Formats: sequence, C-alpha cells, structure tokens
Amino acid sequence: GAVVSQHPSRVICKSGTSVKIECRSLDFQATTMFWYRQFPKKSLMLMATSNEGSKATYEQGVEKDKFLINHASLTLSTLTVTSAHPEDSSFYICSAQTGTGDTDTQYFGPGTRLTVL
Amino acid sequence: QKEVEQDPGPLSVPEGAIVSLNCTYSNSAFQYFMWYRQYSRKGPELLMYTYSSGNKEDGRFTAQVDKSSKYISLFIRDSQPSDSATYLCAMSLTGGGNKLTFGTGTQLKVEL
Repeated sequence: GAVVSQHPSRVICKSGTSVKIECRSLDFQATTMFWYRQFPKKSLMLMATSNEGSKATYEQGVEKDKFLINHASLTLSTLTVTSAHPEDSSFYICSAQTGTGDTDTQYFGPGTRLTVL
Repeated sequence: QKEVEQDPGPLSVPEGAIVSLNCTYSNSAFQYFMWYRQYSRKGPELLMYTYSSGNKEDGRFTAQVDKSSKYISLFIRDSQPSDSATYLCAMSLTGGGNKLTFGTGTQLKVEL
C-alpha cells in the first residue's frame, strides 16, 4: 500500500528557532500534498495544500510567512515553522495523493509532534 | 456552528458489541464522505469512503450517508480491542480539490 513518512517524529526546540519537517511519499509520486495540524482532542485542521512545483495555497488564518511549505519534488514536501513559539506546539500531519482530483485517496503520514519551549 | 460535529466520547463498549459512530454536518454541498481511524500519536488511516447517499459495507464496517438529514454513520460489528482508537469523519466537496473537513473524532475503547 501507499506509504507516507514524516521526519522527525518528535522535535523539541527553543522559542525563536526554526524547525523543518519533511514529508515523503515512499512508493508513489505525490502530485498534491496537504499539511494539517492537530491540537489535543481537536480535529485535524488543514493548513495548506501544495502541488509539486507550485506555490502552496494556504487556508484562511494560516500565516504563510511563518509556515513555509516547499514541494520541490513528487516525493517530498517540507514544512518549516519559522521563529517558533510555544503556541505553535502541536501535532503536524501531512498527507499525499497521486492526483489533484476530488476522489484521489489521501494517504497520511504518522505525524510530527512539535514542542516549543 | 462547526461545519462538522462529532461527539468526542469517550465511548466504551464490551468486546463483541456493535458500535455506532456518527457525524452531522451543515454544508449540503459535501459529496464525499470518509471515515478514518487514528491510533494514538499516529496519522489517520482511511477505513471507508462513500460518495453521496447510501450504504457501503466492508467486512465488519458499514458506512451510511443520509444527505437529506446531513448525517453520516459508521457501524462496527463484533468489535475487538484492536478497534480501540479515535474515529474521525471527514468530508469534501465536488471540485474542492479533495480538501477534507474533519470532525473532532470519537475516542472508542473496546474492553475485554
């Protein structure tokens, strides 16, 4: 089956530093990748949609200068949390799909837990 | 009002019970409906996918969609301790580029 990996699985950083999270599709080419964040006992909230080779599309209320997304290849997307603060502490999950259509299955990564001290 | 409402639970049932999980939604334009299972500290895993109204069965799992009531359900028969997880409903629009709107998830515990 389709596998999506994320690295790192857990990261702890000091306030003000930047953190990069990688999302890879291991056995398929992902035209589209999505980035979500999930707070404890809360729903997954879509942050942005990225298509390979294009700029990411951010959801309302998500600061694009703070959450930098790069989708440079069909198997890799990165999310960089710049100048992280404690309120950015969350569970970040990516998903990937092969196409851009409405019915393409999204395959989710295992998530990255970010803790900002 | 949230777009998708889901009782967070927790829901505790004995092994072998039939579990009923459900979501309501407000946007009548949603056409695609999914159920995901999420184990603690893991990413969601797709369980069931339904287009528009109707029922779909896969093994012990049955998904139902009632668009007239804006109500979807997931039934789990002969529940097992390994079914203990958080179940998230999700839905999307036609032409929406597969952007998913999730419910908050229902935490299920199946006890021996």
